[in-house]
Amino acid sequence: EAAVTQSPRSKVAVTGGKVTLSCHQTNNHDYMYWYRQDTGHGLRLIHYSYVADSTEKGDIPDGYKASRPSQENFSLILELASLSQTAVYFCASSDWTPSYEQYFGPGTRLTVL
Amino acid sequence: GDSVTQTEGLVTVTEGLPVMLNCTYQTAYSDVAFFWYVQYLNEAPKLLLRSSTDNKRTEHQGFHATLHKSSSSFHLQKSSVQLSDSALYYCALRYLSNTNKVVFGTGTRLQVLP
Repeated sequence: EAAVTQSPRSKVAVTGGKVTLSCHQTNNHDYMYWYRQDTGHGLRLIHYSYVADSTEKGDIPDGYKASRPSQENFSLILELASLSQTAVYFCASSDWTPSYEQYFGPGTRLTVL
Repeated sequence: GDSVTQTEGLVTVTEGLPVMLNCTYQTAYSDVAFFWYVQYLNEAPKLLLRSSTDNKRTEHQGFHATLHKSSSSFHLQKSSVQLSDSALYYCALRYLSNTNKVVFGTGTRLQVLP
């Protein structure tokens, strides 16, 4: 079964601080995604990547950066965390297969105070 | 831009009755696929089912959906819901291109009552 892990699972950050969320997959998948989940907004795509050393902006990239140093790792960086970035963040991976299924990590609950 | 619309935020159904969760979409691309993901409380979303060809029904775990391009819809249905079906359901559109970008709807929470 596909495996996607995220760290940390929970984090409290201060406004204006830097936050890095990490994602690691052992599926040998080319595609990786970062979403945030908020009640009423569902899952919104922040950044995604289809090859190492390259990232693409999703639908809500403002205030976030992404880094894909290897096929297995994909990080989300909040340079200056703000209250509005309090949410649950999910990482996902998928491959170019007939099913195109996305495999999600367990999520990171981020609280910015 | 392209979008996926789920009009119901919450659907409440009594156990044993049928349910339909609505999903409509807007896209300029023809090379796309549609999905339903389910997320149980405090868990990650996981795939429930994926669209097949136009007007063909797909089924999984008692749920079924049919892609209707004529009406831009991919509604999820079940003939008899169970308490364990209570969860958050997302409809999603995926571009079958090199980017494989995915667009999710806002989700519908299904609450099944005894």
